[in-house]
Amino acid sequence: DVKVTQSSRYLVKRTGEKVFLECVQDMDHENMFWYRQDPGLGLRLIYFSYDVKMKEKGDIPEGYSVSREKKERFSLILESASTNQTSMYLCASSLSPGTGDIYGYTFGSGTRLTVV
Amino acid sequence: AQSVTQLGSHVSVSEGALVLLRCNYSSSVPPYLFWYVQYPNQGLQLLLKYTSAATLVKGINGFEAEFKKSETSFHLTKPSAHMSDAAEYFCAVSEGKTSYDKVIFGPGTSLSVIP
Repeated sequence: DVKVTQSSRYLVKRTGEKVFLECVQDMDHENMFWYRQDPGLGLRLIYFSYDVKMKEKGDIPEGYSVSREKKERFSLILESASTNQTSMYLCASSLSPGTGDIYGYTFGSGTRLTVV
Repeated sequence: AQSVTQLGSHVSVSEGALVLLRCNYSSSVPPYLFWYVQYPNQGLQLLLKYTSAATLVKGINGFEAEFKKSETSFHLTKPSAHMSDAAEYFCAVSEGKTSYDKVIFGPGTSLSVIP
């Protein structure tokens, strides 16, 4: 069974900390995505990557960065965590450019981050 | 630009009753449309998708959706609700093949099923 695995289900961090959220997929997918999910706002795209070492800004990239050193791993970095970054973070992947909109995305289980 | 609206942030139905979750989209080209389901404390799971084949699409768990171009709608239905259907449902749109995949999600509808 194909999987997208997010390393932590729950995280609590302090304001100002640097936070790493890890996502690994075992499907040899080329595209990977980071979304945040907030009540009433649905899913908002933070960053995505369609190849190793490639990254593109999504709709709300401010305060975040990403790293994709290997095809299977896509990391989201909060450079200096703030309370307004408290949210559910979802990682997703799709096979290759032009296929995600046919086959859909595979999502991880999410990381619920609380910044205090 | 693409966008998705879901009428009703919360819908309650009785067990055994019809489930109807509404989705309207805007797109400058024929879209690809999706419904995803999210159970508590889990990620999203693809329920069904429309990719310009049949306008009536059947998905998992007895759900189906009908693409109506004239109404720019893609409503999700299930004839008889089950307690296990209680979840958050997201409609999503994509404008087809691009150099990368960017899917726009609606705000979601929370479905409650009353015994």
